[in-house]
Amino acid sequence: EPEVTQTPSHQVTQMGQEVILRCVPISNHLYFYWYRQILGQKVEFLVSFYNNEISEKSEIFDDQFSVERPDGSNFTLKIRSTKLEDSAMYFCASSEYLRVLGEKLFFGSGTQLSVL
Amino acid sequence: KNEVEQSPQNLTAQEGEFITINCSYSVGISALHWLQQHPGGGIVSLFMLSSGKKKHGRLIATINIQEKHSSLHITASHPRDSAVYICAVNSGGGADGLTFGKGTHLIIQP
Repeated sequence: EPEVTQTPSHQVTQMGQEVILRCVPISNHLYFYWYRQILGQKVEFLVSFYNNEISEKSEIFDDQFSVERPDGSNFTLKIRSTKLEDSAMYFCASSEYLRVLGEKLFFGSGTQLSVL
Repeated sequence: KNEVEQSPQNLTAQEGEFITINCSYSVGISALHWLQQHPGGGIVSLFMLSSGKKKHGRLIATINIQEKHSSLHITASHPRDSAVYICAVNSGGGADGLTFGKGTHLIIQP
C-alpha cells in the first residue's frame, strides 16, 4: 500500500535554530497537511496545502512557520526560529480528493522534534 | 469551534471482550474519522464516515448525525488491538483541518 514518508524520524535542535521537516506524500494525492502532537496532548491541525498554496491554517501556524512543495514530490514544514514549546511530534498527511468530501487521510509516521 | 469528547479515556479489558469507544461532538460535521495511534506514535486511519455504519474485519464504526455521536466497536478483542483510538471530525463549511479528541487508551490483556 502506498504510504506517506517523513524524514527525519527524530530531530534535536537548539532553541532559536531553524528546522525543516520533510514529507513525501502519496504520489497522486492533491491535499497535504501538517499536524502536531505535544506529548500527552491531542493532535492539532497546523496547515493544509492545495494547488501550491496554503488552503487553511490554524492559530498555531504563525509567522515562524512556513510550508513549501519545492519539487512536486516533497512537502516541507519550516520552523524559522524554534522555541521550547515547538517540541512535539509533527505528522504529515495527504488525501486524494476534495477536502470538503471528508476524504480519508493517510498519515506519515511522524517526526519527533525536540528543542533544547 | 467543534468540541470533540471521547469516552472512556482509558480502558483495560480481557482478550475476547467486546469493546466500545464513544465520541461526541458539538457542531455539525461533514465527516468523522476514527484513527489508531500505536505506542511508537504513528497514526493509521481506520474509518472515515459521514452516515450509517462501516465494518472492517473485527472493527465496526457507527455514527448518528442527529445525536452528534459515533461509536467504535471491536469484537473479539486481542492484545494487538492495544493502542490509542482517536476520534476526529471535519467540521465542513470549507474547513480543511480535523479537530481531534484526546483519544482512548485501550489495553487488552491476554
